[in-house]
Amino acid sequence: LAKTTQPISMDSYEGQEVNITCSHNNIATNDYITWYQQFPSQGPRFIIQGYKTKVTNEVASLFIPADRKSSTLSLPRVSLSDTAVYYCLVGGVFGNQGGKLIFGQGTELSVKP
Amino acid sequence: NAGVTQTPKFRVLKTGQSMTLLCAQDMNHEYMYWYRQDPGMGLRLIHYSVGEGTTAKGEVPDGYNVSRLKKQNFLLGLESAAPSQTSVYFCASKSSGTGELFFGEGSRLTVL
Repeated sequence: LAKTTQPISMDSYEGQEVNITCSHNNIATNDYITWYQQFPSQGPRFIIQGYKTKVTNEVASLFIPADRKSSTLSLPRVSLSDTAVYYCLVGGVFGNQGGKLIFGQGTELSVKP
Repeated sequence: NAGVTQTPKFRVLKTGQSMTLLCAQDMNHEYMYWYRQDPGMGLRLIHYSVGEGTTAKGEVPDGYNVSRLKKQNFLLGLESAAPSQTSVYFCASKSSGTGELFFGEGSRLTVL
């Protein structure tokens, strides 16, 4: 199982771009990288997922280098409402892959006015 | 579409009592998970299931039992509750098409 390492916390200001990097040195060939966001007293919710290179959706971008041993979640122009804990999850995605999904400690992002 | 529903949302137990948390999903997902989250901590996997009638241990399975008799339901049991099991419990199911995890709202358990 791929172990993930992220910074424990990050601070930012409204309007800035925030990049959170996750290390996953022993990622397997079938593993995808998925990022989740969690607000207090709520369950995590899906943000973005990727396998390699770059993925972009309406809320974030995900950058994955060729060796796939790390990934970077990029949040453009953050607002106060982006204050949350962000988790990087590495594991199998499709079909019968990736039964055991282990979360890391997550990164607590604090956005200030 | 209800998604993932957890019952109950809050419960207070005395040490030694037993209880069951119910997780129900209406998305026909094969994979289901139980996590616990302690204050200021990340999610820790207790048990998971890759299909009806199957269960497997996660990171912290001791003191818990699970059952998946029906595809849509995943039950988490505490046979003899301990104060160390005070936590917020999250259930999730996984889409086999996208791999996305869908979480419930959580069940807050306090053991006195």
